[in-house]
Amino acid sequence: DSGVTQTPKHLITATGQRVTLRCSPRSGDLSVYWYQQSLDQGLQFLIQYYNGEERAKGNILERFSAQQFPDLHSELNLSSLELGDSALYFCASSVLLVPSGNTIYFGEGSWLTVV
Amino acid sequence: DAKTTQPPSMDCAEGRAANLPCNHSTISGNEYVYWYRQIHSQGPQYIIHGLKNNETNEMASLIITEDRKSSTLILPHATLRDTAVYYCIVRVAGANSKLTFGKGITLSVRP
Repeated sequence: DSGVTQTPKHLITATGQRVTLRCSPRSGDLSVYWYQQSLDQGLQFLIQYYNGEERAKGNILERFSAQQFPDLHSELNLSSLELGDSALYFCASSVLLVPSGNTIYFGEGSWLTVV
Repeated sequence: DAKTTQPPSMDCAEGRAANLPCNHSTISGNEYVYWYRQIHSQGPQYIIHGLKNNETNEMASLIITEDRKSSTLILPHATLRDTAVYYCIVRVAGANSKLTFGKGITLSVRP
């Protein structure tokens, strides 16, 4: 158990709909990362937040957005869903600077199926 | 972040050591070598990381060459549960530093 909690574990929704994926980072971790893993794309970085602020952006579609709340949990919002958005979405968190190198820990993911 | 090169797959016998190679010839002085693994559709699992010294923990050992251009992850006694995709990643260990995953190496442990 990495300590990173993601909900829901599985979600099936229709095209055009909107969903919200939730992530609770490990206790004390200020950074949250979102990744998408589809069959043909591997693990793709979407976005990172640190203490409520966006810090880095990857290949995140404009239909997707995220935020990190004051209690440090994060949500990934996916709208106008398309079949191609079906994927595993992982959240990860990390502690800030540690002399030996900060480590990123992943949750178990949210399976999204768009039908 | 520097890129890494891993063979696509390898196998080993259960109970034997699994030595997973990784090349990172363009690594910079402030970049760490990280290893993660992913067991079929589970979340990537942190294994070990290092800067220039060899490292060992309860899961594995990491051997980094003196010039830091390559490394080897060693699973000392592989079990069937170690069958997974293993990712070697080079990254600066800062607050803004993400992990960039390549294709990894698929390790198959055979009985």
